[in-house]
Amino acid sequence: SQQGEEDPQALSIQEGENATMNCSYKTSINNLQWYRQNSGRGLVHLILIRSNEREKHSGRLRVTLDTSKKSSSLLITASRAADTASYFCAFPRDDKIIFGKGTRLHILP
Amino acid sequence: NAGVTQTPKFQVLKTGQSMTLQCAQDMNHNSMYWYRQDPGMGLRLIYYSASEGTTDKGEVPNGYNVSRLNKREFSLRLESAAPSQTSVYFCASSEAQFSTEAFFGQGTRLTVV
Repeated sequence: SQQGEEDPQALSIQEGENATMNCSYKTSINNLQWYRQNSGRGLVHLILIRSNEREKHSGRLRVTLDTSKKSSSLLITASRAADTASYFCAFPRDDKIIFGKGTRLHILP
Repeated sequence: NAGVTQTPKFQVLKTGQSMTLQCAQDMNHNSMYWYRQDPGMGLRLIYYSASEGTTDKGEVPNGYNVSRLNKREFSLRLESAAPSQTSVYFCASSEAQFSTEAFFGQGTRLTVV
């Protein structure tokens, strides 16, 4: 499979805590993207990190990329109930965008 | 700006029936994609179109056909629906290959009985 692999598959944390999700991939990439999907909805792009970048921030989101380990992580700080969703990593491959299977994040009140 | 619009939102088909899922984007994107999403499987690419006039198979193309009608529209056709095609279908578009972000429609929930 060309898919990326997210880890963990599911994660439950208390509101206010930080959530970390990881993504591993197998081939060289020129960028890696993270998406969020709320239940029953389409995916929404969160952040893109290019292969020459090691870290990127957007609001409460922090993404890291380690091309030597072929892995990326998404950190959500100070989690909120609205962060409950599935999170997917994705990367361009040839003319396509390949998605992983996702991490289901549940924020507990 | 509507972004990516998919129709219909819901559909129930009987085995053997045919139907076409419609997708249109108003962002002048070159690349368009059809994915299916099944529980525990993530998103799997069915077909894609890198540019107007071209289409290519993705990971799971069997049982489907596509048409890139023009730059805006990319339709997915099920010629003879099977229960295994019960899924949620998403259309997406992006500016170009090796692109930046992809924009998704809201999905079509298809049930084949």
